[in-house]
Amino acid sequence: DAKTTQPTSMDCAEGRAANLPCNHSTISGNEYVYWYRQIHSQGPQYIIHGLKNNETNEMASLIITEDRKSSTLILPHATLRDTAVYYCIVRDIQGAQKLVFGQGTRLTINP
Amino acid sequence: EAGVVQSPRYKIIEKKQPVAFWCNPISGHNTLYWYLQNLGQGPELLIRYENEEAVDDSQLPKDRFSAERLKGVDSTLKIQPAELGDSAVYLCASSPSSGGFDTQYFGPGTRLTVL
Repeated sequence: DAKTTQPTSMDCAEGRAANLPCNHSTISGNEYVYWYRQIHSQGPQYIIHGLKNNETNEMASLIITEDRKSSTLILPHATLRDTAVYYCIVRDIQGAQKLVFGQGTRLTINP
Repeated sequence: EAGVVQSPRYKIIEKKQPVAFWCNPISGHNTLYWYLQNLGQGPELLIRYENEEAVDDSQLPKDRFSAERLKGVDSTLKIQPAELGDSAVYLCASSPSSGGFDTQYFGPGTRLTVL
């Protein structure tokens, strides 16, 4: 699976949009971009995934650049409960069925 | 619907002692995963089960770690003997299958401290 690069930490004000970047410049054509988050003392939680089109669900939006070398996870109206470590993962759907986590971005939502 | 259940949540043991972790996946999920998470790091896969069969155990340190999933439901991960470096969080996850877009659902983990 391709490696990803994320900022170590970010801060965002409560109520504002949190935009978390991820670089995956070596992504291949059959690899999807997945986002998980891990709130303190909990297991990781699935957020969203996509291939090349932008995706939106009740939790977040995923914007993938046209060349697919980077993506941004958007939490439109961040709350204190969104404070967590966010992991960007690229995963080959046809290949090994495991998630390869990096170190993620520690997002802190400030009141 | 109940999530993935793990027990115990916390365990403190002395080095060289054995320890076991238990996981009950979401009902109907055929695929079960055990991950290891060191402090400040992302989880790393130890083993993956498809029903009763361990299909990916390449990252499991087999000299001291063992796992089983009898009857393709509950699973137990064991360490014998434990070493200081085994202090970590052990996460269990399950998914309906291992194919396609199936989401992995994680339990809260067991935090192991080896003294």
